[in-house]
Amino acid sequence: DAGITQSPRHKVTETGTPVTLRCHQTENHRYMYWYRQDPGHGLRLIHYSYGVKDTDKGEVSDGYSVSRSKTEDFLLTLESATSSQTSVYFCAISESGTSGTRTYNEQFFGPGTRLTVL
Amino acid sequence: GDSVTQMEGPVTLSEEAFLTINCTYTATGYPSLFWYVQYPGEGLQLLLKATKADDKGSNKGFEATYRKETTSFHLEKGSVQVSDSAVYFCALNDYKLSFGAGTTVTVRA
Repeated sequence: DAGITQSPRHKVTETGTPVTLRCHQTENHRYMYWYRQDPGHGLRLIHYSYGVKDTDKGEVSDGYSVSRSKTEDFLLTLESATSSQTSVYFCAISESGTSGTRTYNEQFFGPGTRLTVL
Repeated sequence: GDSVTQMEGPVTLSEEAFLTINCTYTATGYPSLFWYVQYPGEGLQLLLKATKADDKGSNKGFEATYRKETTSFHLEKGSVQVSDSAVYFCALNDYKLSFGAGTTVTVRA
């Protein structure tokens, strides 16, 4: 299994409070991602990183910020949590793979963080 | 933009039944295709992949063939077990992963 941990695994917080989720990897992979999983929506990309200090927005980035100061850590921050951000959050890592002449991006997922905003 | 549509389920089967989960995609480029599986309380695990047209991915008795002409990547297993109960996600990767909504499969003994 890829070495990916997420902390905390569970968190309950109140509306308006800041929350930071941490993803840590031991694989030295270049790419890291934050997704949220909600019923009926599958996984939706929040932000991703393609290197230290290099990040970009995904499809549902409003209300979230990220930072990556080291290769192994990718932090997701909810500046002021809202009830709509109650979800399960997954971190993923990847390196590009090659099959013949094709390059693909295979992602490995962490165990998830269940966040409840009251 | 890129998107994936998969049958939503839930799907309930008896042990040893045949399983098919339909997946179709829309992509402007030439993506790689994946099936991920999520067991209860766990993260997603890669089940199988295919990187070009007519490739067949296979793992743990599951198979899927990359069909460019029908833009499909249907997942099949000939004889399911109770341990196959999980949520299955189809995904495509052009420059990032795009996921389907997931299909919950329950296998009864």
